[in-house]
Amino acid sequence: QVTLRESGPALVKPTQTLTLTCTLSGFSLSTRGVCVTWIRQPPGKALEWLARIDWDDDKYYSTSLKTRLTISKDTSKNQVVLTMTNMDRVDTATYYCAQSVVCDSLDVWGQGTTVTVSS
Amino acid sequence: QSPLTQPASVSGSPGQSITISCTGTSNDIGNYNLVSWYQQLPGKAPKLIILEVSKRPSGVSDRFSGSKSGNTASLTISGLQAEDEAHYYCFSYAWESTFVFGGGTRLTVL
Repeated sequence: QVTLRESGPALVKPTQTLTLTCTLSGFSLSTRGVCVTWIRQPPGKALEWLARIDWDDDKYYSTSLKTRLTISKDTSKNQVVLTMTNMDRVDTATYYCAQSVVCDSLDVWGQGTTVTVSS
Repeated sequence: QSPLTQPASVSGSPGQSITISCTGTSNDIGNYNLVSWYQQLPGKAPKLIILEVSKRPSGVSDRFSGSKSGNTASLTISGLQAEDEAHYYCFSYAWESTFVFGGGTRLTVL
């Protein structure tokens, strides 16, 4: 069974860097065709695509956020890490990671982790 | 990378059919058959219900169907049930290896 679990700080201060970890089970990040994507959702608002990393280490970023985002993977730990620099109150959201084997969709989602940006 | 356009809300009575539209451009929906749809129940993570315009993942009810014409994709739910009340989001590949969501549609079952 494929499962994903997001983890990270619940509260960060403005200007700080956020580091989120997505821990995967039931599949390997090194399996050909596997992709992991980060998505966020501000309270009461729509989903927003942030970044994706593929099994072969190709990386893709939201055009509007690419200067602040870095996505990486640790195959030995089966984890994907997202860092977002210079956090602002508008970055307050639930952050999700999702896995897919057909990389144009988001097949299985984690439960999400809520991040609040406040001083 | 502007969000795809969805109606903010739709409603229908049990047993009826409803359609949710998702309008993009030739840079996303119009040029790629890579539209997927997600159902988000209150307080839950989204769930994939349609991929690649019209394919249903295993376990998803055949009451859900998808289609595309030009720059607009559509999700149709037939035989509406109370449990279908949720937010629905479309999602598409866009140019330069990016992806974009729609603004979301709230479905109310009357």
